[in-house]
Amino acid sequence: AQSVTQPDIHITVSEGASLELRCNYSYGATPYLFWYVQSPGQGLQLLLKYFSGDTLVQGIKGFEAEFKRSQSSFNLRKPSVHWSDAAEYFCAVGTTDSWGKLQFGAGTQVVVTP
Amino acid sequence: EAQVTQNPRYLITVTGKKLTVTCSQNMNHEYMSWYRQDPGLGLRQIYYSMNVEVTDKGDVPEGYKVSRKEKRNFPLILESPSPNQTSLYFCASSSKPGGSNGYTFGSGTRLTVV
Repeated sequence: AQSVTQPDIHITVSEGASLELRCNYSYGATPYLFWYVQSPGQGLQLLLKYFSGDTLVQGIKGFEAEFKRSQSSFNLRKPSVHWSDAAEYFCAVGTTDSWGKLQFGAGTQVVVTP
Repeated sequence: EAQVTQNPRYLITVTGKKLTVTCSQNMNHEYMSWYRQDPGLGLRQIYYSMNVEVTDKGDVPEGYKVSRKEKRNFPLILESPSPNQTSLYFCASSSKPGGSNGYTFGSGTRLTVV
């Protein structure tokens, strides 16, 4: 069965420290992948996407993610977090053979401490 | 401003009373979806639409109906709401299949069924 897993429900990080959020997927076909961010009381905003090509993708707000096919992973990173990065982050996966169905992970809540 | 507009933002209703959540986008997008968000479960797709009069079920369609009579509008209909449909609902639209270039999300509708 197709699935998207975000192993970390909750992460606490100090302001200025680096951040890495994990995303693993299980899909038979070639995936396309996203990271979205949801600030409290807001809708979801697209951070970055991978469809093909260079496996290291840059997004908005200083985020980047690396697609590793051999590990079925698409981890999100930021070198130095800001207090405004506190939010919930969602990984999402779709495939070209079931393009209508974009599946989301359960989310990772990020707390930033001073 | 390019946006997806949902109404209402908040709704409290009683079991069995039919309701409609409206969704409208001004980007001339062909592809639209409805998701529900529940704690610990992330976003789950209810229905999606590839164009006018073309819709298909997502992962959790039971108890919901949709229609796409116009390109810009994609209302979500709950014919007989039940308490297990208490959730945060998001409408999203995209110019490419399955949101493959990223979905634009509405601000959400928080529905409580008592």
